Amino acid sequence: DAKTTQPPSMDCAEGRAANLPCNHSTISGNEYVYWYRQIHSQGPQYIIHGLKNNETNEMASLIITEDRKSSTLILPHATLRDTAVYYCIVTGATNKLIFGTGTLLAVQP
Amino acid sequence: SAVISQKPSRDICQRGTSLTIQCQVDSQVTMMFWYRQQPGQSLTLIATANQGSEATYESGFVIDKFPISRPNLTFSTLTVSNMSPEDSSIYLCSVGTPAGGSRTEAFFGQGTRLTVV
Repeated sequence: DAKTTQPPSMDCAEGRAANLPCNHSTISGNEYVYWYRQIHSQGPQYIIHGLKNNETNEMASLIITEDRKSSTLILPHATLRDTAVYYCIVTGATNKLIFGTGTLLAVQP
Repeated sequence: SAVISQKPSRDICQRGTSLTIQCQVDSQVTMMFWYRQQPGQSLTLIATANQGSEATYESGFVIDKFPISRPNLTFSTLTVSNMSPEDSSIYLCSVGTPAGGSRTEAFFGQGTRLTVV
């Protein structure tokens, strides 16, 4: 599975959009980009995934660059409950996840 | 989504003993996985629990220390054997594609918080 690089931490004001970047320059053609988050003391929660097209669901949007070497997770209106560690994972084995260190998103009031 | 029940939710154990953690899913799933999360760290994959055959372990994890059972498509156990304080972690069960289905995202249980004293 391709390695990902994420900033260790980010801040976001409540009500504003949170844009979380992820670099995955070694991604191969059959690998998906998955995003999960882990709120303190809970199991990870699936957010969204994509292969090459941008995706949107009720939680977030995923923007994947045309060369697929990077992506951005967008939480359109961050709330305090969105404070969590966000993991970007690239995998061809879609259920078998290798977690990196993730980005700690702190939503500020 | 799949509903995952993990038992126990937490335990405090004496060193040298063993603990078996159970993972029950409300539907049949093809893939089940076990992870460990040490304090302040990210999740580390221990093994893939294969139904009807031996588990597939990741580098650094061995069957003697972490025996796994997967008797059917809805249930798995992870045993942490001969525990030491270094085994104090959260252990999480994860499930993926439903049997006969096409969903690709994984779902996680709430974990078992283990403290070894």
